[in-house]
Amino acid sequence: GAVVSQHPSWVICKSGTSVKIECRSLDFQATTMFWYRQFPKQSLMLMATSNEGSKATYEQGVEKDKFLINHASLTLSTLTVTSAHPEDSSFYICSARDPHLPGVTDTQYFGPGTRLTVL
Amino acid sequence: AQKVTQAQTEISVVEKEDVTLDCVYETRDTTYYLFWYKQPPSGELVFLIRRNSFDEQNEISGRYSWNFQKSTSSFNFTITASQVVDSAVYFCALSEEGGGGADGLTFGKGTHLIIQP
Repeated sequence: GAVVSQHPSWVICKSGTSVKIECRSLDFQATTMFWYRQFPKQSLMLMATSNEGSKATYEQGVEKDKFLINHASLTLSTLTVTSAHPEDSSFYICSARDPHLPGVTDTQYFGPGTRLTVL
Repeated sequence: AQKVTQAQTEISVVEKEDVTLDCVYETRDTTYYLFWYKQPPSGELVFLIRRNSFDEQNEISGRYSWNFQKSTSSFNFTITASQVVDSAVYFCALSEEGGGGADGLTFGKGTHLIIQP
């Protein structure tokens, strides 16, 4: 149980284009999803918190107009990188939390990540 | 604001040696959660353990053990009889209790563990 998937697993795009990354909770309802970014050989940094049916909360320094997050259902959150540039190349990882899972109400389940390369 | 410090950037040991990965955290909350994750070269995070701030009991899971000490704000991770498959980057992470549950995780910089055959 508690499986989170991401699609695509990797993507290469041209500078200036937009890329959408999907995060799905496959066997539970995720009221909250989180998006992280990891640059090569660095740690994961929280970008934003996404709650189903409401606007995402962005961390300081993260441009909300550039990284659009939509959490339209309890099993799907999407991150759209708009007008991508080479400096946006990174490993994007989502996680999902189900507060109703007994005993593990605050554990986040991570997706496998999406590697974005902007040329 | 919360902070997680993993002072060991890289550790290299020979197989079968024991190794301890250090983690020191900072938080002003009384309710918080600590985690350890393993990240192999594939990039996918593997959940290892979760501890809440009210549970200081140490835990052992096979060759893995964790020592949580609130007095020193540390949550160290020990691998006994290390194996080559243990080679990975290990992250310690912290989340605080938000209004509707735990907040997003604050990760340490990670410790790259290399187990040599």
